Amino acid sequence: TQLLEQSPQFLSIQEGENLTVYCNSSSVFSSLQWYRQEPGEGPVLLVTVVTGGEVKKLKRLTFQFGDARKDSSLHITAAQPGDTGLYLCAGEAGAGSYQLTFGKGTKLSVIP
Amino acid sequence: EAGVAQSPRYKIIEKRQSVAFWCNPISGHATLYWYQQILGQGPKLLIQFQNNGVVDDSQLPKDRFSAERLKGVDSTLKIQPAKLEDSAVYLCASSLVMTSGRAQQFFGPGTRLTVL
Repeated sequence: TQLLEQSPQFLSIQEGENLTVYCNSSSVFSSLQWYRQEPGEGPVLLVTVVTGGEVKKLKRLTFQFGDARKDSSLHITAAQPGDTGLYLCAGEAGAGSYQLTFGKGTKLSVIP
Repeated sequence: EAGVAQSPRYKIIEKRQSVAFWCNPISGHATLYWYQQILGQGPKLLIQFQNNGVVDDSQLPKDRFSAERLKGVDSTLKIQPAKLEDSAVYLCASSLVMTSGRAQQFFGPGTRLTVL
């Protein structure tokens, strides 16, 4: 069974601060996805990383896939209250399986 | 483009009762998934359909859960009888294979089930 460990589980920061969320596994994934979920809604895809060492940027969010494709990180620069939500990482085991294993998530609160 | 629709949005039942959830995926999406998300955890896949066939139901508690997608479009998930530990949000997702060969999943808003 492939497991994804996310840390921290909870994060409460002031507006303008930077933060990093980690997603770690002992298993190799063909791709890793990051989602954001708001209360009462389903997860929404932010990014997919596929290649080991890959870095993708989405405005103030930077995503990195580990060289061995076992871990990933999400860095947010100058957090805004609108960044508040549950951040989930999800790994796809094998290319073409289209099945995702999710981590438990990081609940982020950005205080104005 | 309309998203994944789910109903009801909320349901409260007593243990041992039965309940059914409905999902209408995005038009044209062949693959449909049901997930269970317990409070404080990430979604856990229960069952995956490709058109009207089951691809994977290895994590579906088949003694009480059942799901069908008869015409390859809408799907229903049923729990009978419900237990307290079934309290969770049930998410439906559908996906389309992109030109890259990868599939992007689109999630519905979920049904929040409370079992008393």
